[in-house]
Amino acid sequence: GDSVTQMEGPVTLSEEACLTINCTYTATGYPSLFWYVQYPGEGLQLLLKATKADDKGSNKGFEATYRKETTSFHLEKGSVQVSDSAVYFCALRSNSGYALNFGKGTSLLVTP
Amino acid sequence: DVKVTQSSRYLVKRTGEKVFLECVQDMDHENMFWYRQDPGLGLRLIYFSYDVKMKEKGDIPEGYSVSREKKERFSLILESASTNQTSMYLCASSLWMDIGEAFFGQGTRLTVV
Repeated sequence: GDSVTQMEGPVTLSEEACLTINCTYTATGYPSLFWYVQYPGEGLQLLLKATKADDKGSNKGFEATYRKETTSFHLEKGSVQVSDSAVYFCALRSNSGYALNFGKGTSLLVTP
Repeated sequence: DVKVTQSSRYLVKRTGEKVFLECVQDMDHENMFWYRQDPGLGLRLIYFSYDVKMKEKGDIPEGYSVSREKKERFSLILESASTNQTSMYLCASSLWMDIGEAFFGQGTRLTVV
């Protein structure tokens, strides 16, 4: 079945450091791919998405590119801020499915 | 803005109780979902519904049931709560034809004692 694997956390970075959170997927066909973010005490909110190969999703300085050849959707940011501290979830939705399949989440802590 | 509202942020229930978790969305979405979130396990799908009175089992439906009598409301029912159902429960909704973006409620942290 469809699945998502993302790097284990927690990840601790200093403010202004570069961030990469790896995400790879297994799916048949051409799924849509997503990154969701969960700030402390809140529900999940969509950060960015990509619906076909080579699409780049971007939002709030974060980017991720849908790479079908490597079945990856890595999340990147050039300079993180303390306010980026949160849990990040990679997810996919297959073309034939209703629900999102999530990775286990990666906790990010950014220190001043 | 889409709003998905879960009736309680925190609940404490006793083992064996019947527990109802309520979720309401205000954007006329066809699809609604219940996930549970546990440390190290991420989000796991319990049940989803793609229309009124329609439901489908997700990955971990055992011990749960759902009800969708109206389009905007989706209830999760723990028939006889057990301590291993202590968890964070997240409700979500999405448009049927959308490419998959789901909107989440703030979650209900349930503790079964």
